[in-house]
Amino acid sequence: GQQLNQSPQSMFIQEGEDVSMNCTSSSIFNTWLWYKQDPGEGPVLLIALYKAGELTSNGRLTAQFGITRKDSFLNISASIPSDVGIYFCAGAITGGGADGLTFGKGTHLIIQP
Amino acid sequence: KAGVTQTPRYLIKTRGQQVTLSCSPISGHRSVSWYQQTPGQGLQFLFEYFSETQRNKGNFPGRFSGRQFSNSRSEMNVSTLELGDSALYLCASSSAAGGGEKLFFGSGTQLSVL
Repeated sequence: GQQLNQSPQSMFIQEGEDVSMNCTSSSIFNTWLWYKQDPGEGPVLLIALYKAGELTSNGRLTAQFGITRKDSFLNISASIPSDVGIYFCAGAITGGGADGLTFGKGTHLIIQP
Repeated sequence: KAGVTQTPRYLIKTRGQQVTLSCSPISGHRSVSWYQQTPGQGLQFLFEYFSETQRNKGNFPGRFSGRQFSNSRSEMNVSTLELGDSALYLCASSSAAGGGEKLFFGSGTQLSVL
């Protein structure tokens, strides 16, 4: 099956720092999604990318769909305490239904005061 | 617009029992998917329902089953519970027929099997 490698597994940063995380795949995807999950809650969709090379922002978050269609990146600028959580990437093949959505294992973001 | 609603939020069961979890999708969404989330395995796809029909199924034993009603609400059932079934069960809805990419998740049901 498809595999998504998400890195880093965890990040310990200071408030105000910028954050970068990425996902790579052995397969090509048509869509890349980035979710954030707070403790005890379900994942919340942050950004959706539909085209190779696409760069999309949502406030302080910026995500890019890699040109090879096998990777994606998420950057968070000027981190704040509420950015703490687990960030998941997900790759999808259009029309594949939910089982066409493959999730990474997540990046745990921890912000030190 | 109300989000995806899952009930109950927390559940404690013992081995051998069965459990039913409920999910109400976003109004107008016809696709409902279920995922199991554990610290070690991450998010694993269970099944997807669209218009009361199971469209896709993940690699889980037959003890895991589901159904969808005409109002798009869905239920998931796990029979003969095992300790390893302890997990956060997430329901997600989507408006896209056959798409499923843009999933909107509920808060989940935290199941503990003792």
